[in-house]
Amino acid sequence: DIQMTQSPSSMSVSLGDRVTITCRASQDIGNYLSWYQQKPEKSPKLMIYGATNLEDGVPSRFSGSRSGSDYSLTINSLESEDTGIYFCLQHKQYPPTFGAGTKLELK
Amino acid sequence: EVQLVESGGGLVQPGRSMKLSCAASGFTFSSFPMAWVRQAPTKGLEWVATISTSGGSTYYRDSVKGRFTISRDNAKSTLYLQMNSLRSEDTATYYCTRVRLRRVHEGDYYVMDAWGQGASVTVSS
Repeated sequence: DIQMTQSPSSMSVSLGDRVTITCRASQDIGNYLSWYQQKPEKSPKLMIYGATNLEDGVPSRFSGSRSGSDYSLTINSLESEDTGIYFCLQHKQYPPTFGAGTKLELK
Repeated sequence: EVQLVESGGGLVQPGRSMKLSCAASGFTFSSFPMAWVRQAPTKGLEWVATISTSGGSTYYRDSVKGRFTISRDNAKSTLYLQMNSLRSEDTATYYCTRVRLRRVHEGDYYVMDAWGQGASVTVSS
């Protein structure tokens, strides 16, 4: 199975911060990488797909990028509603595998 | 509005069976592959199974192969997950998800773009 190593596991951030979360793939996954946001007691919400494409309705302060086997989710100018847990997902091959998650909290 | 509503969860003893259902509305159910993803308490997400639009192709994670069966009834716009020989490690919230093809200039991507609210399954004696 492809392993997705996500970092950091948690971040304490301030409003207005620029935040970057990273996932590293253990094998080549091309751009078959999505990012999800999960709020407490809620189901995950798709934010980014194809590594760099913003899902409809997601604020433009969110962006995705790729450098080799490293994939990043960046939030420019963090807002309070952006707190939660973020997961990456590779779907290059079965089984699809998720990163362990990054918990974003306000200081 | 796309809606996915799971039902059928609860408490079940190890070794017993349980069937989850997911009622879909707000889109043409038969046009989308569907999947189940689970999340153990305070843990991360884990893909469980995927089914093609017709139901002719199914895919499972190794740990549930031979015990779980994903199926669908396109006439009823409903997705199912039959879970047999349940184990304590199957305890989780099970999410029904829609798999949608997103076409962009650099390629085609099948993404899980809509999720239900989840059904809680607890396997315990």
